[in-house]
Amino acid sequence: GENVEQHPSTLSVQEGDSAVIKCTYSDSASNYFPWYKQELGKRPQLIIDIRSNVGEKKDQRIAVTLNKTAKHFSLHITETQPEDSAVYFCAVGRGGADGLTFGKGTHLIIQP
Amino acid sequence: NAGVTQTPKFQVLKTGQSMTLQCAQDMNHEYMSWYRQDPGMGLRLIHYSVGAGITDQGEVPNGYNVSRSTTEDFPLRLLSAAPSQTSVYFCASSYSRQGSGEQYFGPGTRLTVT
Repeated sequence: GENVEQHPSTLSVQEGDSAVIKCTYSDSASNYFPWYKQELGKRPQLIIDIRSNVGEKKDQRIAVTLNKTAKHFSLHITETQPEDSAVYFCAVGRGGADGLTFGKGTHLIIQP
Repeated sequence: NAGVTQTPKFQVLKTGQSMTLQCAQDMNHEYMSWYRQDPGMGLRLIHYSVGAGITDQGEVPNGYNVSRSTTEDFPLRLLSAAPSQTSVYFCASSYSRQGSGEQYFGPGTRLTVT
Protein backbone atom coordinates (compact mmCIF):
# COMPACT_ATOMS: atom_id res chain seq x y z
CA GLY A 1 0.00 0.00 0.00
CA GLU A 2 0.85 3.68 -0.03
CA ASN A 3 3.42 4.94 2.50
CA VAL A 4 3.41 8.63 3.46
CA GLU A 5 6.24 10.17 5.49
CA GLN A 6 5.81 13.65 6.99
CA HIS A 7 8.54 15.88 8.48
CA PRO A 8 9.13 17.48 10.87
CA SER A 9 6.88 16.15 13.62
CA THR A 10 7.15 19.48 15.47
CA LEU A 11 8.00 22.89 14.02
CA SER A 12 8.40 26.08 16.04
CA VAL A 13 8.71 29.41 14.21
CA GLN A 14 8.60 33.07 15.16
CA GLU A 15 5.44 34.96 14.33
CA GLY A 16 5.84 36.52 10.90
CA ASP A 17 8.37 33.95 9.69
CA SER A 18 7.67 31.21 7.13
CA ALA A 19 6.99 27.55 7.85
CA VAL A 20 7.58 24.59 5.54
CA ILE A 21 6.32 21.05 6.06
CA LYS A 22 7.35 18.22 3.73
CA CYS A 23 5.80 14.88 2.79
CA THR A 24 7.06 12.02 0.67
CA TYR A 25 4.99 9.19 -0.78
CA SER A 26 5.75 5.84 -2.35
CA ASP A 27 3.11 5.11 -5.02
CA SER A 28 3.84 6.82 -8.33
CA ALA A 29 0.17 6.36 -9.31
CA SER A 30 -0.92 8.81 -6.58
CA ASN A 31 -2.57 11.89 -8.05
CA TYR A 32 -4.23 13.88 -5.26
CA PHE A 33 -2.35 15.69 -2.48
CA PRO A 34 -4.37 17.59 0.15
CA TRP A 35 -3.30 19.29 3.36
CA TYR A 36 -5.51 19.36 6.46
CA LYS A 37 -5.33 21.58 9.53
CA GLN A 38 -6.55 20.29 12.88
CA GLU A 39 -6.90 22.57 15.90
CA LEU A 40 -6.89 21.05 19.36
CA GLY A 41 -10.05 19.06 19.98
CA LYS A 42 -11.49 19.88 16.55
CA ARG A 43 -12.02 18.00 13.31
CA PRO A 44 -9.48 18.10 10.43
CA GLN A 45 -10.30 20.69 7.79
CA LEU A 46 -8.94 20.99 4.26
CA ILE A 47 -6.76 24.07 3.74
CA ILE A 48 -5.34 23.43 0.27
CA ASP A 49 -4.98 20.60 -2.23
CA ILE A 50 -3.19 19.91 -5.48
CA ARG A 51 -3.59 17.38 -8.25
CA SER A 52 -0.80 15.72 -10.17
CA ASN A 53 -1.13 17.85 -13.29
CA VAL A 54 -0.18 21.00 -11.35
CA GLY A 55 3.23 21.82 -9.80
CA GLU A 56 2.23 24.63 -7.44
CA LYS A 57 -0.92 26.15 -6.02
CA LYS A 58 -1.32 29.24 -3.84
CA ASP A 59 -4.12 30.56 -1.66
CA GLN A 60 -3.20 33.80 0.09
CA ARG A 61 -0.51 32.92 2.67
CA ILE A 62 -0.44 29.19 1.98
CA ALA A 63 0.98 27.28 -0.96
CA VAL A 64 1.61 23.69 -1.90
CA THR A 65 4.35 22.51 -4.26
CA LEU A 66 4.54 19.08 -5.87
CA ASN A 67 7.50 17.22 -7.34
CA LYS A 68 6.12 14.05 -8.93
CA THR A 69 9.52 12.86 -10.10
CA ALA A 70 10.89 12.88 -6.58
CA LYS A 71 7.53 11.89 -5.07
CA HIS A 72 7.36 14.69 -2.55
CA PHE A 73 5.18 17.72 -1.85
CA SER A 74 5.39 20.56 0.62
CA LEU A 75 3.18 23.03 2.45
CA HIS A 76 4.44 26.60 2.72
CA ILE A 77 2.93 29.13 5.13
CA THR A 78 4.22 32.71 4.91
CA GLU A 79 3.84 35.54 7.42
CA THR A 80 2.77 33.12 10.12
CA GLN A 81 0.20 34.25 12.68
CA PRO A 82 -0.82 32.88 16.10
CA GLU A 83 -3.95 31.32 14.59
CA ASP A 84 -1.74 29.15 12.37
CA SER A 85 -0.78 27.11 15.46
CA ALA A 86 -2.27 23.63 14.91
CA VAL A 87 -1.45 20.14 13.71
CA TYR A 88 -1.10 19.85 9.95
CA PHE A 89 -1.56 16.57 8.05
CA CYS A 90 -0.60 15.79 4.51
CA ALA A 91 -2.50 13.07 2.66
CA VAL A 92 -2.23 11.19 -0.61
CA GLY A 93 -4.96 9.80 -2.86
CA ARG A 94 -4.58 7.39 -5.74
CA GLY A 95 -7.90 8.04 -7.39
CA GLY A 96 -9.28 4.74 -6.15
CA ALA A 97 -12.13 4.18 -3.74
CA ASP A 98 -9.75 3.42 -0.90
CA GLY A 99 -9.62 7.10 -0.03
CA LEU A 100 -6.64 8.93 1.43
CA THR A 101 -3.48 7.84 3.23
CA PHE A 102 -2.44 10.40 5.84
CA GLY A 103 0.94 11.40 7.20
CA LYS A 104 1.45 11.36 10.96
CA GLY A 105 1.14 15.11 11.35
CA THR A 106 3.25 18.18 12.16
CA HIS A 107 2.61 20.24 15.28
CA LEU A 108 3.21 23.84 14.21
CA ILE A 109 3.91 26.27 17.05
CA ILE A 110 3.96 30.00 16.38
CA GLN A 111 6.11 31.82 18.93
CA PRO A 112 5.05 35.42 19.70
CA ASN B 1 -26.83 22.09 6.09
CA ALA B 2 -25.61 20.32 9.22
CA GLY B 3 -22.78 18.69 7.22
CA VAL B 4 -21.44 15.51 8.86
CA THR B 5 -22.77 14.70 12.32
CA GLN B 6 -21.59 12.03 14.76
CA THR B 7 -23.01 10.66 18.00
CA PRO B 8 -22.05 10.22 20.74
CA LYS B 9 -19.24 12.74 21.35
CA PHE B 10 -17.77 10.71 24.20
CA GLN B 11 -18.16 7.07 25.21
CA VAL B 12 -16.60 4.79 27.82
CA LEU B 13 -16.93 1.03 27.32
CA LYS B 14 -15.78 -1.99 29.24
CA THR B 15 -13.77 -4.67 27.47
CA GLY B 16 -16.09 -7.02 25.61
CA GLN B 17 -19.02 -4.61 25.28
CA SER B 18 -20.42 -3.72 21.87
CA MET B 19 -21.69 -0.41 20.59
CA THR B 20 -22.52 1.54 17.45
CA LEU B 21 -21.07 4.91 16.52
CA GLN B 22 -23.52 6.88 14.44
CA CYS B 23 -22.66 9.04 11.44
CA ALA B 24 -24.94 10.99 9.14
CA GLN B 25 -24.47 13.54 6.36
CA ASP B 26 -26.95 15.77 4.55
CA MET B 27 -24.81 16.74 1.55
CA ASN B 28 -25.94 13.82 -0.65
CA HIS B 29 -22.37 12.52 -0.83
CA GLU B 30 -21.96 9.02 -2.20
CA TYR B 31 -18.59 8.38 -0.53
CA MET B 32 -18.36 7.94 3.24
CA SER B 33 -15.59 6.61 5.42
CA TRP B 34 -14.46 6.00 8.99
CA TYR B 35 -11.02 6.91 10.34
CA ARG B 36 -9.43 6.43 13.71
CA GLN B 37 -6.91 8.89 15.10
CA ASP B 38 -4.31 7.84 17.64
CA PRO B 39 -1.55 10.08 19.07
CA GLY B 40 1.37 10.31 16.67
CA MET B 41 -0.32 8.04 14.12
CA GLY B 42 -2.28 10.38 11.91
CA LEU B 43 -5.65 9.17 10.61
CA ARG B 44 -6.05 5.56 9.52
CA LEU B 45 -8.89 4.32 7.35
CA ILE B 46 -11.13 1.66 8.93
CA HIS B 47 -13.93 1.13 6.39
CA TYR B 48 -15.40 3.04 3.48
CA SER B 49 -18.45 3.05 1.24
CA VAL B 50 -18.92 4.31 -2.30
CA GLY B 51 -22.70 4.23 -2.10
CA ALA B 52 -25.71 2.65 -0.46
CA GLY B 53 -25.31 -1.10 -0.18
CA ILE B 54 -21.55 -1.05 -0.90
CA THR B 55 -18.85 -1.19 1.76
CA ASP B 56 -15.20 -2.22 1.84
CA GLN B 57 -12.30 -2.52 4.23
CA GLY B 58 -9.61 0.08 4.78
CA GLU B 59 -6.22 -0.18 6.44
CA VAL B 60 -7.37 -1.22 9.95
CA PRO B 61 -10.77 -3.02 9.70
CA ASN B 62 -10.36 -5.74 12.34
CA GLY B 63 -12.91 -5.53 15.16
CA TYR B 64 -15.25 -3.21 13.29
CA ASN B 65 -18.30 -3.69 11.07
CA VAL B 66 -20.15 -1.21 8.88
CA SER B 67 -23.30 -1.09 6.79
CA ARG B 68 -24.75 1.47 4.39
CA SER B 69 -28.49 1.10 3.97
CA THR B 70 -29.05 4.74 2.97
CA THR B 71 -26.95 7.48 1.35
CA GLU B 72 -27.16 9.56 4.54
CA ASP B 73 -26.10 7.10 7.25
CA PHE B 74 -22.93 5.08 7.81
CA PRO B 75 -22.79 3.51 11.31
CA LEU B 76 -19.66 1.87 12.70
CA ARG B 77 -20.11 -1.13 15.00
CA LEU B 78 -17.61 -2.35 17.54
CA LEU B 79 -18.36 -6.02 18.04
CA SER B 80 -16.40 -6.72 21.24
CA ALA B 81 -14.52 -3.67 22.48
CA ALA B 82 -10.82 -3.98 23.36
CA PRO B 83 -8.48 -1.44 25.01
CA SER B 84 -6.60 -1.19 21.69
CA GLN B 85 -9.74 0.44 20.25
CA THR B 86 -9.39 3.44 22.56
CA SER B 87 -9.16 6.26 20.03
CA VAL B 88 -10.87 9.23 18.45
CA TYR B 89 -13.12 8.17 15.59
CA PHE B 90 -13.92 10.46 12.68
CA CYS B 91 -16.54 9.89 10.05
CA ALA B 92 -16.04 11.67 6.72
CA SER B 93 -17.89 12.11 3.46
CA SER B 94 -16.79 13.28 0.04
CA TYR B 95 -18.45 14.46 -3.15
CA SER B 96 -15.85 12.39 -5.02
CA ARG B 97 -17.23 8.88 -5.46
CA GLN B 98 -13.67 7.62 -5.59
CA GLY B 99 -12.72 9.25 -2.31
CA SER B 100 -9.92 11.34 -3.85
CA GLY B 101 -11.51 14.65 -3.14
CA GLU B 102 -12.09 16.91 -0.15
CA GLN B 103 -13.11 14.90 2.88
CA TYR B 104 -15.69 16.60 5.12
CA PHE B 105 -15.11 15.32 8.64
CA GLY B 106 -17.58 15.00 11.46
CA PRO B 107 -16.75 16.35 14.95
CA GLY B 108 -15.43 13.00 16.16
CA THR B 109 -16.26 10.47 18.88
CA ARG B 110 -13.76 9.99 21.69
CA LEU B 111 -13.93 6.35 22.79
CA THR B 112 -12.24 4.90 25.87
CA VAL B 113 -12.23 1.14 26.48
CA THR B 114 -11.30 0.05 30.00
